[in-house]
Amino acid sequence: SQKIEQNSEALNIQEGKTATLTCNYTNYSPAYLQWYRQDPGRGPVFLLLIRENEKEKRKERLKVTFDTTLKQSLFHITASQPADSATYLCALSSGGSYIPTFGRGTSLIVHP
Amino acid sequence: GAGVSQSPSNKVTEKGKDVELRCDPISGHTALYWYRQSLGQGLEFLIYFQGNSAPDKSGLPSDRFSAERTGGSVSTLTIQRTQQEDSAVYLCASSPAAGVPLHFGNGTRLTVT
Repeated sequence: SQKIEQNSEALNIQEGKTATLTCNYTNYSPAYLQWYRQDPGRGPVFLLLIRENEKEKRKERLKVTFDTTLKQSLFHITASQPADSATYLCALSSGGSYIPTFGRGTSLIVHP
Repeated sequence: GAGVSQSPSNKVTEKGKDVELRCDPISGHTALYWYRQSLGQGLEFLIYFQGNSAPDKSGLPSDRFSAERTGGSVSTLTIQRTQQEDSAVYLCASSPAAGVPLHFGNGTRLTVT
């Protein structure tokens, strides 16, 4: 069956360091992958989208990589700040389907 | 420039009652999604509307759940004869076209007592 795995344990890092979050998947042929941020009591907010033929995407302090051989995406936040503390969700969409499937998310806590 | 609006933000209901949850998507967005999120769980897909096409209802967990989208805009999710396991946050999202990033509302927190 199709599975999306994100680390269920919270990631604790020190301010200024780079946070790296992982999204692994099985039994998927994703056409593209998205990353969202979710704060408590709020809906997810879109951050970045990367397509199957792209290796890397950047936006300000954010970087996403996509390795379809390893079936993995890495999400990096450089020079992290306490305001980056949130839950980060990855979402996959297969070719021909417009319905993203979401992982459970990983909580990031950036300590001052 | 308003985002996706959902109402009510919180709803407490007794087991067995029917509830209606409302979603106002961003104006001009043709695609509309409903998901639900239980405590500590990921987003579970419920239903998808795209333009005038028949909705994709493949995620609805039982026939107690239904949704409609009137005039290609506002959507209502109805849960009949609510059960305690229906307690969750119900999230609505819209996008300007199929397959592009989703814009979420802040959800309706449903508690069934």
